[in-house]
Amino acid sequence: DAGVIQSPRHEVTEMGQEVTLRCKPISGHDYLFWYRQTMMRGLELLIYFNNNVPIDDSGMPEDRFSAKMPNASFSTLKIQPSEPRDSAVYFCASGPSSYNEQFFGPGTRLTVL
Amino acid sequence: AQKVTQAQTEISVVEKEDVTLDCVYETRDTTYYLFWYKQPPSGELVFLIRRNSFDEQNEISGRYSWNFQKSTSSFNFTITASQVVDSAVYFCALILNQAGTALIFGKGTTLSVSS
Repeated sequence: DAGVIQSPRHEVTEMGQEVTLRCKPISGHDYLFWYRQTMMRGLELLIYFNNNVPIDDSGMPEDRFSAKMPNASFSTLKIQPSEPRDSAVYFCASGPSSYNEQFFGPGTRLTVL
Repeated sequence: AQKVTQAQTEISVVEKEDVTLDCVYETRDTTYYLFWYKQPPSGELVFLIRRNSFDEQNEISGRYSWNFQKSTSSFNFTITASQVVDSAVYFCALILNQAGTALIFGKGTTLSVSS
C-alpha cells in the first residue's frame, strides 16, 4: 500500500483565498483524522471521521474551516477565506479503529501571505 | 480530562550516549492506549509503539526500549547508544478505549544527537 497520500505537499496562497487540502487514506481504514501542527500549539486534532461520517469536529477553529469525506478513499479540508494565522502543516492520518495506531501522511505545508 | 505531558522540551546528547524521553499521562479511565511517534527533520510522523493499559511489560526493539509504569502514570522511552539519525521530535500520545475519543498528543521532545 502507498500509505496515506496528501496533496499538495506545499501551498502558498494569499490572504482571502480559498485553500483545499486533499487526503487519500489507506484502503480499509475506517477512521480518518485531520491534524494541524504549529510551533505554538503543537499537534492539534481538527476533525475525524468514522466510515465517512464526521464524529468530532470540535477542533475545527472557525467556520472558515470545513471538512468532507464523500467516500472511503477521499477527504478534503477547506479553508475559506484563508488568513495568515492558518499557516501550518496539516496532516491527514488514517487507522483501522479509533484506538489503533494512526498512519500519517507526509503533510501539507500551508503558507498564507 | 486526559492529558499527556512531556516535560523535556529539548535534549542534546553526543552519539553513543543513552537517552531517556519522559512521558507522563493523566486519565481516570482504566482502559487506554499509549503511543510514541517520531517526527524526523523531513517532517513525517512515524509510528513507533502502541501499548495498552493492561500490559505493563517493558518492550525492547533494537536500541529502543519502553518502560510503562501505571503506578507513576509514565511511559518513558529510552534510546541506547544514540545515533545522529535518532535526531527528531518524539511525541507521546494517549487514547481511551471509547468510541468517539481521539488521540491526545504531548508537546513533543526535540532530541538532537551530535557526532
